[in-house]
Amino acid sequence: NAGVMQNPRHLVRRRGQEARLRCSPMKGHSHVYWYRQLPEEGLKFMVYLQKENIIDESGMPKERFSAEFPKEGPSILRIQQVVRGDSAAYFCASSPHGNSPLHFGNGTRLTVT
Amino acid sequence: ILNVEQSPQSLHVQEGDSTNFTCSFPSSNFYALHWYRWETAKSPEALFVMTLNGDEKKKGRISATLNTKEGYSYLYIKGSQPEDSATYLCAFEGNTPLVFGKGTRLSVIA
Repeated sequence: NAGVMQNPRHLVRRRGQEARLRCSPMKGHSHVYWYRQLPEEGLKFMVYLQKENIIDESGMPKERFSAEFPKEGPSILRIQQVVRGDSAAYFCASSPHGNSPLHFGNGTRLTVT
Repeated sequence: ILNVEQSPQSLHVQEGDSTNFTCSFPSSNFYALHWYRWETAKSPEALFVMTLNGDEKKKGRISATLNTKEGYSYLYIKGSQPEDSATYLCAFEGNTPLVFGKGTRLSVIA
């Protein structure tokens, strides 16, 4: 039973480009969470999705960031017109129901040059 | 803004020592307190999910206690081994998605 799969592991983008981060949850999990880890900071909640629905996006920056979890395929976190401050590790986690407990992917490290 | 605090930030112990660290969290709107273990170059792995005041959970040499009235949880490691070296995260579950502390980074020296 494969765990949470995130790709790519590392992503380098120039300022102004778009970044697309993918997350395939564990089989049977319909709840997906995205967290961001900035340097020297803890995991900060960004968005919580269920299939085709955004449940809570209170941690998402208002501009340039969007997330989706379509009926088929992985969840996508999309960052448009990236800036240097977007450089961070982005972690996806899934669960079969609600919060308990979360199963994390290995993260995508985004570097904006 | 929910505040989840962990202390100490980092800890160095000798192999065989027992150790403990603290997580403090809001005592209102409490649903559960999670502990995760995060090894370098891996992803966080769930250790415990605790819901009841006074609860104590154990997994091998690692155990945790919970006080929801005063808003703290302790994680204990008995007889630390080098493979226990990791960052230990706690996370508060209320009526929002999990709010994580910054973690305690444990290094066990052989």
